[in-house]
Amino acid sequence: GNSVTQMEGPVTLSEEAFLTINCTYTATGYPSLFWYVQYPGEGLQLLLKATKADDKGSNKGFEATYRKETTSFHLEKGSVQVSDSAVYFCALILNTGNQFYFGTGTSLTVIP
Amino acid sequence: GAVVSQHPSWVICKSGTSVKIECRSLDFQATTMFWYRQFPKQSLMLMATSNEGSKATYEQGVEKDKFLINHASLTLSTLTVTSAHPEDSSFYICSATPGVPHNEQFFGPGTRLTVL
Repeated sequence: GNSVTQMEGPVTLSEEAFLTINCTYTATGYPSLFWYVQYPGEGLQLLLKATKADDKGSNKGFEATYRKETTSFHLEKGSVQVSDSAVYFCALILNTGNQFYFGTGTSLTVIP
Repeated sequence: GAVVSQHPSWVICKSGTSVKIECRSLDFQATTMFWYRQFPKQSLMLMATSNEGSKATYEQGVEKDKFLINHASLTLSTLTVTSAHPEDSSFYICSATPGVPHNEQFFGPGTRLTVL
């Protein structure tokens, strides 16, 4: 089947620390991969995406590379800020489908 | 960018009453809309997929008669929680897509429902 597995949180980092949130997937077809961010009390916002193998998505200092060989899409940021505190969701959608498969989410707290 | 709104953003109701949540695509026509439910500190669970002018497709385990979905126009879908009970309290999020490619989905800000 189709599924997404994320590292469990919560993750607490000091400001300017390096962030990695692991995400691996299984898919029955060819997926596009996404990272969404959810701030407290709000809906999901698209952070970045990649639609094919070896693509790198990037936005606001965050990056993730679509690795087909390891079925991974790990999220990284070189220097986190307090404002990055949120819940991050990895997700996939098959290129032939219309349903998102979400990971369980990883809560990030950045302390000054 | 494409914007999806939800109304209301927060609602409290008494047990046994019905609540309607609206999802609107503000600057594009949404051929398909999706309704998700999110429990505290958990991921999103797809409840149903609705296409304009046709009946919604519900995921396994979602009660069709309890969660009524109507997609009457290309910019509006509604979710009605009928005879709400405290266990229906949750965060409901919709998303909308203009069509191909389906991976261009845009999410609403969510509606928090509390049933007393």
